[in-house]
Amino acid sequence: EAQVTQNPRYLITVTGKKLTVTCSQNMNHEYMSWYRQDPGLGLRQIYYSMNVEVTDKGDVPEGYKVSRKEKRNFPLILESPSPNQTSLYFCASSLNPGLHSYNEQFFGPGTRLTVL
Amino acid sequence: AQSVTQLGSHVSVSEGALVLLRCNYSSSVPPYLFWYVQYPNQGLQLLLKYTSAATLVKGINGFEAEFKKSETSFHLTKPSAHMSDAAEYFCAVSEKDAGGTSYGKLTFGQGTILTVHP
Repeated sequence: EAQVTQNPRYLITVTGKKLTVTCSQNMNHEYMSWYRQDPGLGLRQIYYSMNVEVTDKGDVPEGYKVSRKEKRNFPLILESPSPNQTSLYFCASSLNPGLHSYNEQFFGPGTRLTVL
Repeated sequence: AQSVTQLGSHVSVSEGALVLLRCNYSSSVPPYLFWYVQYPNQGLQLLLKYTSAATLVKGINGFEAEFKKSETSFHLTKPSAHMSDAAEYFCAVSEKDAGGTSYGKLTFGQGTILTVHP
């Protein structure tokens, strides 16, 4: 089954304790992206990756890191989480938007993060 | 920079009534347009997309949307609401250049929560 998976689905942590949220897709997609969803703000892009070893900032990158060492994986790293990073996080993937006329993005199930 | 506005953070309808969820965008070049639905405790599922073909787009679950360039709108409709339509709906745009190449990034509206009353 074609899908985007995220782990963990739920996480409660404390300020300053480094954490990683994993994302993996099995559709051989070049493009991957992380979003955070906050009430009344919709989804906002954190980071994206056009392909392996190619990453760039989205609209709200502060406090986050990413890496793209393999095509299928795109982990989101919070090196020193703070309470304002409490949110619902979604990973998404699509074919290369530069080669296809539209980039239907497929979303993972979400990770609900609480930082105390 | 492009932006997406969804008018009404909450919409409530009776079962069997028309559903109308509004979306307006601002972009120098008409973008690709999408509607996603999010059921409680789930991820986002694509309802339909506009990719410069027919202006009236039909999606899953009986939803459709019409692209109106003159109004910069892409409103979502369904003739008869079902209880199972209760969810949050997001309009999103993907900006593209004059040649039609997408930049990749999706910009989302704020979301509209649809409630369906029996």
